[in-house]
Amino acid sequence: QQPVQSPQAVILREGEDAVINCSSSKALYSVHWYRQKHGEAPVFLMILLKGGEQKGHEKISASFNEKKQQSSLYLTASQLSYSGTYFCGARGGGGGADGLTFGKGTHLIIQP
Amino acid sequence: ETGVTQSPTHLIKTRGQQVTLRCSSQSGHNTVSWYQQALGQGPQFIFQYYREEENGRGNFPPRFSGLQFPNYSSELNVNALELDDSALYLCASSLWGWDGYTFGSGTRLTVV
Repeated sequence: QQPVQSPQAVILREGEDAVINCSSSKALYSVHWYRQKHGEAPVFLMILLKGGEQKGHEKISASFNEKKQQSSLYLTASQLSYSGTYFCGARGGGGGADGLTFGKGTHLIIQP
Repeated sequence: ETGVTQSPTHLIKTRGQQVTLRCSSQSGHNTVSWYQQALGQGPQFIFQYYREEENGRGNFPPRFSGLQFPNYSSELNVNALELDDSALYLCASSLWGWDGYTFGSGTRLTVV
């Protein structure tokens, strides 16, 4: 089952904050967040693991609610470079052999 | 450190033909995963290779196959191409287990 991301799209002014949510119907072991700009490869932002461990970029923050199987990505003081499509990828198993199941993405546009 | 490189960048094939896509992993990474990304969608997991063996597979038919070589580079082979196989094919390398992916820029495959 594909995670559900919300909102589908958001337009912000530079400097504003945004929250992108990712919700799964199945138990999760980890959640990944990636940003993809048009015509480019997805870029790793953050991984959140069951039990509270997190790895990612210093300027990115996120949360993982294991009970609700939900994750949120927090973008503060947005910059023009934050524009792109944000994907959450969910992994249900504890084994590393499971691939990620990605959501459909959230399109973020930052205007000057 | 080098990133993930994929070749070719673009490819046009005829329905029924076979295609091979190539990927060089990021230095230090031992796991390679392949994803298919249709236009406007999130990436879909095809399979994963670790220590030259496929150890995880998504919902793709057997005509999608792959290889991983001792230097951790990888190939994706697709036989009997169908029109619906037209997509961006992304290769992602990682260190086994729990780190985020480094994606390549992808191969855009068009089947006519």
